[in-house]
Amino acid sequence: GQNIDQPTEMTATEGAIVQINCTYQTSGFNGLFWYQQHAGEAPTFLSYNVLDGLEEKGRFSSFLSRSKGYSYLLLKELQMKDSASYLCAAYNSNYQLIWGAGTKLIIKP
Amino acid sequence: NAGVTQTPKFRVLKTGQSMTLLCAQDMNHEYMYWYRQDPGMGLRLIHYSVGEGTTAKGEVPDGYNVSRLKKQNFLLGLESAAPSQTSVYFCAIRGGNEQFFGPGTRLTVL
Repeated sequence: GQNIDQPTEMTATEGAIVQINCTYQTSGFNGLFWYQQHAGEAPTFLSYNVLDGLEEKGRFSSFLSRSKGYSYLLLKELQMKDSASYLCAAYNSNYQLIWGAGTKLIIKP
Repeated sequence: NAGVTQTPKFRVLKTGQSMTLLCAQDMNHEYMYWYRQDPGMGLRLIHYSVGEGTTAKGEVPDGYNVSRLKKQNFLLGLESAAPSQTSVYFCAIRGGNEQFFGPGTRLTVL
């Protein structure tokens, strides 16, 4: 079967660093995405990894290990506005996105 | 979400009623998708289209129909709504590798 696993909820402190992990199993693999979704809103694109390694984009970084079926999203210098759900998704061989249920990130002052 | 609009934003239906959700894009992309999002679950693909006049089934197509008569528009129809179809529906388009989402339609079936 195909599935994406990520923690349901995480809590972190404003100004700190948090890492959200994601493991995936898909029939074929054509890249991994991270999306941010604020409550009541649509998902918005954060990052895309297709090769192994770390991609850095401002305060956000995303890492991929294809051999381990593993990715993480790293958020630095957390701000209250980062409180949201973070969705991990992977393209399978048919370029259909398989989605995780999302990780709700709670930021405390 | 620029370039992808969904109509309506909210709707309440009674069991057995029908309705059509409209997704419109002004970005001239070929691929369009309909997803549903339910609490505690990932987005699930209902139907998708790879171009004008084409549609294909996704993961959860039962109870839904779609049409892509014009490249800009992707319609999702519910012929006989059921309470299990209460959900938030998102339309998405694919530009390059990324998918861009519309604002969503919150549907409640009583």
